[in-house]
Order: sequence, then C-alpha cells, then structure tokens
Amino acid sequence: QLVLTQSPSASASLGASVKLTCTLTSGHSSYAIAWHQQQPEKGPRYLMKVNSDGSHSKGDGIPDRFSGSSSGAERYLTISSLQSEDEADYYCQTWGTGVRGVFGGGTKLTVL
Amino acid sequence: EVQLVESGGGLVQPGRSLRLSCAASGFTFDDYAMHWVRQAPGKGLEWVSGISWNSGSIAYADSVKGRFTISRDNAKNSLYLQMNSLRAEDTALYYCAKDDNYGGAAAFDYWGQGTLVTVSS
Repeated sequence: QLVLTQSPSASASLGASVKLTCTLTSGHSSYAIAWHQQQPEKGPRYLMKVNSDGSHSKGDGIPDRFSGSSSGAERYLTISSLQSEDEADYYCQTWGTGVRGVFGGGTKLTVL
Repeated sequence: EVQLVESGGGLVQPGRSLRLSCAASGFTFDDYAMHWVRQAPGKGLEWVSGISWNSGSIAYADSVKGRFTISRDNAKNSLYLQMNSLRAEDTALYYCAKDDNYGGAAAFDYWGQGTLVTVSS
C-alpha cells in the first residue's frame, strides 16, 4: 500500500535552513511526489514536484529559497533563509493508480 | 490566472445530502483531471475523490465510497461532489484541486480556497 510518512513537527531559526523529509513506502521508491504549503488559516499552495532522480519543478511564483531533492525512498524539501511567513504546515502528496491521490500526514514547521 | 472557486457548503443534518461545486477558470478545464480534498478541523489533508479529463476514470477514498459521487461538466468548466448519507466525520473544509495531468493523478498544482461542510444535528 502506498503511504507517505512525514515527521509531525520541525523547527529552525529565522534566516537558517531546514530540510523536511517525506518517505515513500517500500516498493514505491521510484515515485515522484509534490510538496504543498499551508499557512495558518489559508488553503494549500503547490510548491513543487520532486522526481526520484532529485530533479524538481516549481509552481508559479515559488521563491528560489525553496528546493527539492531525493535519496532512495526519501523526498526532501529544503527551505533556506527562513522567513517568518515560512511558518506553516507542509504536506507531501503522490499519486497511485488511476486518479487516486495520497497525502502524507504533514509537518508543522515552526520558525524560531 | 488559474482560479478554482468552491461553493455549496453549509450546515446539514446527519443522513442528509449536499452538493458541492467548483467553478474553474484560467485554464483549459477539459485538459486536466480534477480532485476533491478535505481537511477536518485541526487535521491534515485527506484526498476524497478524483476524476479524469473525460470522466472515464474515477476513484474514491474508502471513507466515502458508495456515499459520494464526483462528476464534471466540461462545457461549464465545473466540478461537482454529490455527498449523500452524510456523517459527523464528514465535517471538513472541502477543497477543489487541479491535477497537472489529464488521465491519471499527478501533482495537484492549483487549489481553491475551500467550502466548509458541517454535519450536525
């Protein structure tokens, strides 16, 4: 069964960098994923797609501070030069057979 | 500019029905699959249902299968979710999301602002 696993929380200081992880279940390590940001009291916003080879393509208007990478079954979202507005929930998402979607449980990022 | 605007949410009693709509603009609607995603209060995102560009492929989460029906009208650039036999656990903010693929699911690259469904007596 296709499942995405994320740590519930992460924190980093203003101006620093943070790397969030999304892990695919065994047997699905070739899958691409998407990262979405949800700021408090707002709807989700698409950040980027990350492929198994580490290449990524960002959504409209996403700053260069956001980047993606991969290693095995892990997909990463790195945010550099953290700003206060980066404090948000971050969800990874992938897709199964047909038109079926799958979400990770989300990571709540706190900017200290 | 891509816009997705949901409507149709509200307060409904358990066991009753509700129909959500999503009006799409700013892209060629019938070129892409579409999805409904929900978020219960204080919880994470849950995929609910998806539909391919031509309605030829449809899928549902196990939690709503047999109760919810997704559909689309490409002539009206609209996506729908018919929700029957509603339960308290269906209470959530319901989002419409655009897929970046036409046939199967892929990255959800645009989202609406959501419509709130509250199931309570």
